[in-house]
Amino acid sequence: KAGVTQTPRYLIKTRGQQVTLSCSPISGHRSVSWYQQTPGQGLQFLFEYFSETQRNKGNFPGRFSGRQFSNSRSEMNVSTLELGDSALYLCASSWAGGTGANVLTFGAGSRLTVL
Amino acid sequence: QQQVKQSPQSLIVQKGGISIINCAYENTAFDYFPWYQQFPGKGPALLIAIRPDVSEKKEGRFTISFNKSAKQFSLHIMDSQPGDSATYFCAATRRASNTGKLIFGQGTTLQVKP
Repeated sequence: KAGVTQTPRYLIKTRGQQVTLSCSPISGHRSVSWYQQTPGQGLQFLFEYFSETQRNKGNFPGRFSGRQFSNSRSEMNVSTLELGDSALYLCASSWAGGTGANVLTFGAGSRLTVL
Repeated sequence: QQQVKQSPQSLIVQKGGISIINCAYENTAFDYFPWYQQFPGKGPALLIAIRPDVSEKKEGRFTISFNKSAKQFSLHIMDSQPGDSATYFCAATRRASNTGKLIFGQGTTLQVKP
């Protein structure tokens, strides 16, 4: 059973640019959550999508957005990049059925560096 | 009220020793407490989880102890091995929320010396 796949694994952008990250969840998983990981702030919840709808949102500015497609694949976008956006962006999928919703399987992440 | 506080930030243990990581939460609505293990270059992986209706859960060398009245829970790694060297995160959420939103602690970097 394939795991959660995130692309690209590494990318470098400059301030002001925008970036799109992709996540393919485990087959059958309908929920995709995104997290930002930094040394100073740890793992912070960005948002969650379920059946193409945003179900939860963390405390991040509107520059951070996402979407989910009918096949459960998800993308997140960060516009007008700032130096502080440099982080590891993690995607996690879950079955989202009953108590299984809280059992997250993470991908390896996309490492974003903003110069 | 949404915070989960984790300590210590880093930990060095000799091979064969016991590693102990502590977490404290504030929101009494939390009722699911997983621990994740993360190796360099990898995403976090679920290690073990506990619900507040039990005081202890053991899986192999890993044990979670839960103190509901103190709103604290801890991870014990018995007979620590160099392969256990990783970053450990505790987390909390409400099962009924049926959501992928977990509140994570800040993480503990564990180094097990041979």
